[in-house]
Amino acid sequence: AQTVTQSQPEMSVQEAETVTLSCTYDTSESDYYLFWYKQPPSRQMILVIRQEAYKQQNATENRFSVNFQKAAKSFSLKISDSQLGDAAMYFCAYRRGGSQGNLIFGKGTKLSVKP
Amino acid sequence: NAGVMQNPRHLVRRRGQEARLRCSPMKGHSHVYWYRQLPEEGLKFMVYLQKENIIDESGMPKERFSAEFPKEGPSILRIQQVVRGDSAAYFCASSPPYEETQYFGPGTRLLVL
Repeated sequence: AQTVTQSQPEMSVQEAETVTLSCTYDTSESDYYLFWYKQPPSRQMILVIRQEAYKQQNATENRFSVNFQKAAKSFSLKISDSQLGDAAMYFCAYRRGGSQGNLIFGKGTKLSVKP
Repeated sequence: NAGVMQNPRHLVRRRGQEARLRCSPMKGHSHVYWYRQLPEEGLKFMVYLQKENIIDESGMPKERFSAEFPKEGPSILRIQQVVRGDSAAYFCASSPPYEETQYFGPGTRLLVL
């Protein structure tokens, strides 16, 4: 069975600095997708970034980028120029390949941003 | 295009009552997923539905829980004879055919007294 592990329950970063959140996963499949979701205090789940396993190039969305290491089964999220609004729970998620399938989530990392 | 809608946002039930949670997917989305989030935990998959069909219910408890996605109207997650352990946030997500990204609703917070 696939699993997703986030080893950092909490992280803290100074405003305008850079922080990296870790995620590892376990799967025997070669085709899959990886996601980072943000959950602010409102509890709404917001998609931050996604990565297709068949793509070697790391995904980037503005200040958010990933370091996808397929062989190591690692999928870390880098947040540059951190802002107060980035404070939230961040969840890493895995989905098998194919047109549909459920997400498997890690337990999350709580990110605090200090002014 | 309105986002995924869930109602009610908050629901309080006494032990033994029934809880009905509704989810309206985004326009054009025919796939609906339900997830449950216990306090201090990540989301756990419960059930995956398409219109009038349950595709995967492997994450759903065998008793008291049921889900449907009728041809017309929202998807419904029904919990019968609720117990305190059912207190959680229940999230619905939808996606269009042939797309891997799921878009989440704001969730329903269920509190069982």
